[in-house]
Amino acid sequence: GAVVSQHPSRVICKSGTSVKIECRSLDFQATTMFWYRQFPKQSLMLMATSNEGSKATYEQGVEKDKFLINHASLTLSTLTVTSAHPEDSSFYICSASPSGRVVWDTQYFGPGTRLTVL
Amino acid sequence: AQTVTQSQPEMSVQEAETVTLSCTYDTSENNYYLFWYKQPPSRQMILVIRQEAYKQQNATENRFSVNFQKAAKSFSLKISDSQLGDTAMYFCAFMKKSGAGSYQLTFGKGTKLSVIP
Repeated sequence: GAVVSQHPSRVICKSGTSVKIECRSLDFQATTMFWYRQFPKQSLMLMATSNEGSKATYEQGVEKDKFLINHASLTLSTLTVTSAHPEDSSFYICSASPSGRVVWDTQYFGPGTRLTVL
Repeated sequence: AQTVTQSQPEMSVQEAETVTLSCTYDTSENNYYLFWYKQPPSRQMILVIRQEAYKQQNATENRFSVNFQKAAKSFSLKISDSQLGDTAMYFCAFMKKSGAGSYQLTFGKGTKLSVIP
């Protein structure tokens, strides 16, 4: 149980284009989902907290107009990188916290998406 | 703000031996959760073990156990009978229990563990 999927696993795009990454909780509902960015050999950096039916909360220094987050249902959150540039190339990971369960506080992670912007 | 420190960037252990990864944290909170996550080469983050701060008993999950010292703000992970599949990056993480910023994980920088055959 507690499986989170991400799609796509890898994406290569041209500079200036937009890319959408999906995060789905497969066997549980998640009121809250999180988006992280991980640079090579570094830790995870929280970008934003996504709450179903409301606006995402972005961490300081993260451009909300560049990284659009939509949490339209209890099982799906999307991250859209708009007008991508090479410096946006990174590994993006989502996580989800089960709602309505005893262990609400544990985050389960997706497998990540490798974004390369040429 | 909470900080999590993992002072061992890399460690190695012989297969079947025991290894301990250290983690310290700094917080003014009294109620919180601590986690160890594993990230193998596949990059998939996997929950290893969790500890609730109000519980004095150390959490255990099969070969994995923690030594939680609340006063010292220390949360080390012990891996017994190390297996090749334990080779991974291990991240210690902190989560506040309530209030603003709840549910957010603060990660340490990680410890790269290599299990040697």
